[in-house]
Amino acid sequence: AQSVTQLGSHVSVSEGALVLLRCNYSSSVPPYLFWYVQYPNQGLQLLLKYTTGATLVKGINGFEAEFKKSETSFHLTKPSAHMSDAAEYFCAVSAPNYGGSQGNLIFGKGTKLSVKP
Amino acid sequence: DADVTQTPRNRITKTGKRIMLECSQTKGHDRMYWYRQDPGLGLRLIYYSFDVKDINKGEISDGYSVSRQAQAKFSLSLESAIPNQTALYFCATKQGRSGEQYFGPGTRLTVT
Repeated sequence: AQSVTQLGSHVSVSEGALVLLRCNYSSSVPPYLFWYVQYPNQGLQLLLKYTTGATLVKGINGFEAEFKKSETSFHLTKPSAHMSDAAEYFCAVSAPNYGGSQGNLIFGKGTKLSVKP
Repeated sequence: DADVTQTPRNRITKTGKRIMLECSQTKGHDRMYWYRQDPGLGLRLIYYSFDVKDINKGEISDGYSVSRQAQAKFSLSLESAIPNQTALYFCATKQGRSGEQYFGPGTRLTVT
């Protein structure tokens, strides 16, 4: 079984500051990991994903995340926050290569990012 | 045009009424999903379908039913709506086990 914990339901940063959103996962099998972003009044949009291979994954809008197996983490970072980054961010895990989960996504509870001018 | 569409986008209904939320996709994906989103709880899976004849309950299926009318259409019904079904509902699609999910814009449902 898989689970996801996002530390901090709300994170506030100043424009230009580093963005760090934390995600820890639990999985008994090699996971696929995802970050989705939800802008106000919109659906979820994929930011980036890790499947296999390179552990540092780059996504859209300058975001990146690093898969750290030893720490069971997949934290999302962006060097310099922009006002347009204000949104809710969801981390998710799946295990598509293992029968029980059927490749379904398990989502964290989300982190709302505010960006102060 | 959007690849995953949901209708209606907003709906207010009364307790006890039957309501149907519809989802259509033009991506040609085989798998479709219904989620509900509540503040602070993230997204929870209601039902999912791997093809027209393969429908499965998710984490929170009680009080809901679904119909996969065609590969491109997946409807969610609330047979007798209750206030704690007030939420934001999302449809999503995916191709195969390892593809990424694509989400519709959501339906905001209020049950009074």
